[in-house]
Amino acid sequence: DAGVTQSPTHLIKTRGQHVTLRCSPISGHKSVSWYQQVLGQGPQFIFQYYEKEERGRGNFPDRFSARQFPNYSSELNVNALLLGDSALYLCASSARQGLSSYEQYFGPGTRLTVT
Amino acid sequence: GENVEQHPSTLSVQEGDSAVIKCTYSDSASNYFPWYKQELGKRPQLIIDIRSNVGEKKDQRIAVTLNKTAKHFSLHITETQPEDSAVYFCAASLNQAGTALIFGKGTTLSVSS
Repeated sequence: DAGVTQSPTHLIKTRGQHVTLRCSPISGHKSVSWYQQVLGQGPQFIFQYYEKEERGRGNFPDRFSARQFPNYSSELNVNALLLGDSALYLCASSARQGLSSYEQYFGPGTRLTVT
Repeated sequence: GENVEQHPSTLSVQEGDSAVIKCTYSDSASNYFPWYKQELGKRPQLIIDIRSNVGEKKDQRIAVTLNKTAKHFSLHITETQPEDSAVYFCAASLNQAGTALIFGKGTTLSVSS
């Protein structure tokens, strides 16, 4: 039974460039959340999508955007990269929103380095 | 918004000892409290969680307690083993559409044999 998958594993970009990160949730899960984890800190919430609609947004600038596709996979896009965007980007999936849907399971993450 | 404080930031114990990590949260409406274990270079793994209608939950050597009045919850690991060494994160959340997990800053647990 496949868990959450993310691609690419590692990425090196230059300041000002654009990046797209991808996530495939656990089969049957319809909700995807994105988190940014800076070294030495806990994950910080960026977005949550459920049934292809944005359901929540964290305190991140408009340079960050995301979308969810009909197969429930998701993309996170970051424009005009800054050095401070260097982090581990984690995707988490959960079964659904509402009752009995609390558990979020994380993917392995994409390590983004901005130079 | 919700804020989660986690203590201690580092914890060193001898194999076989118990370890306790404590978290406090600010939003009394939060009702779901998971704990994640993250080994170096790996994904956070959900190890145990508790909902606000329960005061304690146990799974083998791991237990979590919740005090809603004081707005704090704790992770207890008994009979620690070297493979328990990792960073542990607590989190809090509301059961509402679009609600995120709000994480503490983590506790680095080192178990020496």
